[in-house]
Amino acid sequence: GDSVTQMEGPVTLSEEAFLTINCTYTATGYPSLFWYVQYPGEGLQLLLKATKADDKGSNKGFEATYRKETTSFHLEKGSVQVSDSAVYFCALSVLTFSGGYNKLIFGAGTRLAVHP
Amino acid sequence: DGGITQSPKYLFRKEGQNVTLSCEQNLNHDAMYWYRQDPGQGLRLIYYSQIVNDFQKGDIAEGYSVSREKKESFPLTVTSAQKNPTAFYLCASSMRGGSTDTQYFGPGTRLTVL
Repeated sequence: GDSVTQMEGPVTLSEEAFLTINCTYTATGYPSLFWYVQYPGEGLQLLLKATKADDKGSNKGFEATYRKETTSFHLEKGSVQVSDSAVYFCALSVLTFSGGYNKLIFGAGTRLAVHP
Repeated sequence: DGGITQSPKYLFRKEGQNVTLSCEQNLNHDAMYWYRQDPGQGLRLIYYSQIVNDFQKGDIAEGYSVSREKKESFPLTVTSAQKNPTAFYLCASSMRGGSTDTQYFGPGTRLTVL
């Protein structure tokens, strides 16, 4: 079935370090791909998305490229800040079998801790 | 301000009780969703609705019920049949429910069974 696999955390970095969080997926058809971020005790916020192969999503210095050949959507940031500390979720959007409704399938999340 | 509101933020339930979690959106979105989040796990879909008076079971619907009488509102009832209801519950909405649509999330309700 459709699924998302993320690298396990926690990921611990010093401020200004380079960040990569790996995400690979299994899906039939042509899913859209998303990265969401969750700060402690809060809901999820969309970070970026890509809707077709080779699209690059970007926001607040974060980037991810939809790679169909490797079924990947890795999240990167060139220089992290303490305020980036949060849990990051990779997700794909698929059509359900009943009625053609869309649903999101999430990875388990990767906790990022950035130290000064 | 447009957005999604959930209430209450924290909810405590005794075993055997039903409780209802509120979700309201003023984004004029057609589709609404309920997810459950357990520690260290991703979100799992409970129910979703694409139009008023219509909703579909998600992956873990057992022990839950919903209604969609108004476009803006999608309350979730956690019944006594749900064996392990302690979790963080998130409501979301999207424009139409299409595969490229972004889902926007509320701040969540943390339910604890005493």
